[in-house]
Amino acid sequence: SQTIHQWPATLVQPVGSPLSLECTVEGTSNPNLYWYRQAAGRGLQLLFYSVGIGQISSEVPQNLSASRPQDRQFILSSKKLLLSDSGFYLCAWTGRGYEQYFGPGTRLTVT
Amino acid sequence: AQSVAQPEDQVNVAEGNPLTVKCTYSVSGNPYLFWYVQYPNRGLQFLLKYITGDNLVKGSYGFEAEFNKSQTSFHLKKPSALVSDSALYFCAVRDQTSGGYQKVTFGTGTKLQVIP
Repeated sequence: SQTIHQWPATLVQPVGSPLSLECTVEGTSNPNLYWYRQAAGRGLQLLFYSVGIGQISSEVPQNLSASRPQDRQFILSSKKLLLSDSGFYLCAWTGRGYEQYFGPGTRLTVT
Repeated sequence: AQSVAQPEDQVNVAEGNPLTVKCTYSVSGNPYLFWYVQYPNRGLQFLLKYITGDNLVKGSYGFEAEFNKSQTSFHLKKPSALVSDSALYFCAVRDQTSGGYQKVTFGTGTKLQVIP
C-alpha cells in the first residue's frame, strides 16, 4: 500500500533562517506531488505541484521554492523565512482515481 | 475557472441525529467531486468521491454524498452522527476537462461539532 511521510512534524525557526521540509511517498511510482499551506486551520493554499522529476510549477509567487530530486521525493525550501510563512504545510499525491492523499503535515512557526 | 463553496463555517448536530454538510461547485465541464476530513493537527483524509455514475456515493465511516447536477451541489451526509465525527470537512472539485495536471480546488472547510 502507499504511504506518504513528512518531516519534521514541528519546526520553530527565526525570521531570516532557511527552511527545508521533506516529503516522500512509498508504494507508487511517478506520482503527481503537491505542497499546500494551511493557515489558521482552514483553507488550503496550493504552493507547488510536480508531475515528474525536476518538473516544478509554482501557483503562488513567494519566497518559497520546491524541488523534486527523485521520483518520490518532494522538498520545500526557503532561503530566508518570513513571519507570514508560519502555517501547517501538507504534502500530497494523487491516486489513480484522482483523489489526493495527504501526509501528516509539518507545523512551522516562524518567530 | 473552477470554484467550490461551503456556505457554513460550522455545523452543530446532536449525537445520533442525521448530519448534512453543504457544498456547491462551479466548473466549466463535468466535475470530479471529493470530500475530505481533517482532525486537529493531522493531514486531510479522503472520504469519498464522485466521478460518474450513481448520484449517491458512499464512502468511509458511514458517510455518503449526493451529486445534484442541476443544483451544482455535492452535500455530505450521515444518517446518525457520532461524537468522533467532530472534525473539519473539506469539499473539493476538479474539472474533468483539465489536462494532464490535475488541479483541485478546495473549499474553505466546515467545522462539524457533534454534541453528546
